[in-house]
Amino acid sequence: DTGVSQDPRHKITKRGQNVTFRCDPISEHNRLYWYRQTLGQGPEFLTYFQNEAQLEKSRLLSNRFSAERPKGSFSTLEIQRTEQGDSAMYLCASSLNLVAGPKETQYFGPGTRLLVL
Amino acid sequence: TQLLEQSPQFLSIQEGENLTVYCNSSSVFSSLQWYRQEPGEGPVLLVTVVTGGEVKKLKRLTFQFGDARKDSSLHITAAQTGDTGLYLCAGAKAGGTSYGKLTFGQGTILTVHP
Repeated sequence: DTGVSQDPRHKITKRGQNVTFRCDPISEHNRLYWYRQTLGQGPEFLTYFQNEAQLEKSRLLSNRFSAERPKGSFSTLEIQRTEQGDSAMYLCASSLNLVAGPKETQYFGPGTRLLVL
Repeated sequence: TQLLEQSPQFLSIQEGENLTVYCNSSSVFSSLQWYRQEPGEGPVLLVTVVTGGEVKKLKRLTFQFGDARKDSSLHITAAQTGDTGLYLCAGAKAGGTSYGKLTFGQGTILTVHP
């Protein structure tokens, strides 16, 4: 399977614990995005990388959240001191951006569903 | 704050009926994408429209991008039970550091009854 993969698919944790999610993008894609989706809503942008550089972070991304893409391939999203409000589906998407233009298309992974008790 | 307003939020129809989902904004987008999402899965891309006035057809699905690139619609002809799911529109803005970032509508939950 050459699509975007995410691990784990499901995570249940207790409030105050740290969690880390991993995303493996489509191999030749240079851009990687993280989104968060709560029940009944569309996904909301969190952050994105161009290769290993983190180019933008949403104000939704509090200082408890950190994302890395150390070698420009896979990415990790860590949430420290989890809160019940962090319960959501965390989605990763990747895209190929070669020349600035409007045709960039993002392909999503299956998501990691987080439940904070 | 959602910059893309989708309507209706819920749609329940019988197999064979036609339907239209709307996606509206006061902002101009360089491209707009439509996704379909199953419960517990990530969104799956249906189509990308980039040119104002563009119409794309995908079997029974017809997508239109408004002339001003601020709105879009998805029309399904003769709906089938397999069309059931969450439909999301998402717009991308051009230029600057926000290039490529998608802004999603809140989604339309479609249920097609046999």
